[in-house]
Amino acid sequence: GQQLNQSPQSMFIQEGEDVSMNCTSSSIFNTWLWYKQDPGEGPVLLIALYKAGELTSNGRLTAQFGITRKDSFLNISASIPSDVGIYFCAGQSGTASKLTFGTGTRLQVTL
Amino acid sequence: DAMVIQNPRYQVTQFGKPVTLSCSQTLNHNVMYWYQQKSSQAPKLLFHYYDKDFNNEADTPDNFQSRRPNTSFCFLDIRSPGLGDAAMYLCATSRDRGLAPNEQFFGPGTRLTVL
Repeated sequence: GQQLNQSPQSMFIQEGEDVSMNCTSSSIFNTWLWYKQDPGEGPVLLIALYKAGELTSNGRLTAQFGITRKDSFLNISASIPSDVGIYFCAGQSGTASKLTFGTGTRLQVTL
Repeated sequence: DAMVIQNPRYQVTQFGKPVTLSCSQTLNHNVMYWYQQKSSQAPKLLFHYYDKDFNNEADTPDNFQSRRPNTSFCFLDIRSPGLGDAAMYLCATSRDRGLAPNEQFFGPGTRLTVL
C-alpha cells in the first residue's frame, strides 16, 4: 500500500536540542495525525490537524498542516530523554477514515 | 479513563495452531481496526468494522479473520499461523468515519510469537 515520505529516517540529538521532522505525499489528505510509538507499545496520538495551514501545539510539540494539504511537519523543542521513540505521521481521508502512514522517524536523545 | 485494551500483551503459539487475539474499548466508538506491524515498519491495516459492517483490505490473507460480537469487543483470529505471521498486532478505534474529527486511537498491542 501507499506510504508517505517521512524524513529524516533517524536522528541522534543531544538533550535540550530542537527537532524537526516532516512528511510529504503525492495525494491530499483531510486530516494529518502525528503519533509516537515506544518500543513494545502501540502508537500514541500526539497532535491532530484538520485544516490546511493549521498550526497546533501540544506542550513542547508543534505541528502544521501544509497549505497544499500534501505535507505536514512536527517540531519538538528542548528535547528530553523521554522523547526517544519512533514518530509516525499519518494522513487520513476517505469515508473509512483509513490512515496512510509515513515511514517513521526514529529519535534518539543523548544526555 | 476511556481506553483501548488488548489481551494478552504477549502470545506464543505453534506453527499451524489457531490463535485468537482480543481487543476491547470503553470509548464507545463505532469503528474498530486491526493492524499488523512488523519490526521497524509502519502499521499495516488488515481490516476494520464500521459497527457490524466488516471491511477487509484487498491484500489481507484469508488466514486472518475477525469477529465483532458487540460494540466494545473485537477479535482477530489467525486460523493457521505461519512463521511470517509473527508480529505486533494493534487494535485501534475511531468515533466514526468520514468527516473529521475521526482520529484513530491505538491499544498497546499484542506481540505474537510463532514457534
